[in-house]
Amino acid sequence: AQTVTQSQPEMSVQEAETVTLSCTYDTSESNYYLFWYKQPPSRQMILVIRQEAYKQQNATENRFSVNFQKAAKSFSLKISDSQLGDTAMYFCAFMNLGGGGGSNYKLTFGKGTLLTVNP
Amino acid sequence: EAGVVQSPRYKIIEKKQPVAFWCNPISGHNTLYWYLQNLGQGPELLIRYENEEAVDDSQLPKDRFSAERLKGVDSTLKIQPAELGDSAVYLCASSLAASGDYEQYFGPGTRLTVT
Repeated sequence: AQTVTQSQPEMSVQEAETVTLSCTYDTSESNYYLFWYKQPPSRQMILVIRQEAYKQQNATENRFSVNFQKAAKSFSLKISDSQLGDTAMYFCAFMNLGGGGGSNYKLTFGKGTLLTVNP
Repeated sequence: EAGVVQSPRYKIIEKKQPVAFWCNPISGHNTLYWYLQNLGQGPELLIRYENEEAVDDSQLPKDRFSAERLKGVDSTLKIQPAELGDSAVYLCASSLAASGDYEQYFGPGTRLTVT
């Protein structure tokens, strides 16, 4: 079974600064995706960024980028130029794409990091 | 394009009563998920459908929970009877995972309070 660990329950950052959220995971699988989801107070979960395990290049989406260290099983999220609208719970999630089986394609989430961006 | 629709958004019931949640996925999405999110936790999968087939229901407490997706489109999740510990947010998500597109789109959730 896969596990996802987010060791920072809460973080805060000043507007316009950079913040990094940590995530580690444990798996014996080789074919998987990693995701960061954002859940604002309205509770609608939104995809921020995703990383395919077979890709060595780190994914980037505008102000959001990841540091994917496959050997270390680490997947951190960096938010640059933080904005007030980035205030939300951030979840790291793992998806196994292994060959066959009902347990594939489900997201296994960490417990989340509550990020507050201060003006 | 409309997103994942869930209803009701909020539900308050007394313990031992039945309750049902409804989800309409994004049009064309063949894979539908029900997740349970307890306060301060990440969501946990209850059941995954590919079209009308439940392909992963290993985490669904089958003594009191049931789900259906009869025509491979919308889905209903039922709890009967509800217990105090069922108070949580129930999230529905959909994707094209069965076609190789793994991004999941989430609905706003139903917040259940059992008193």
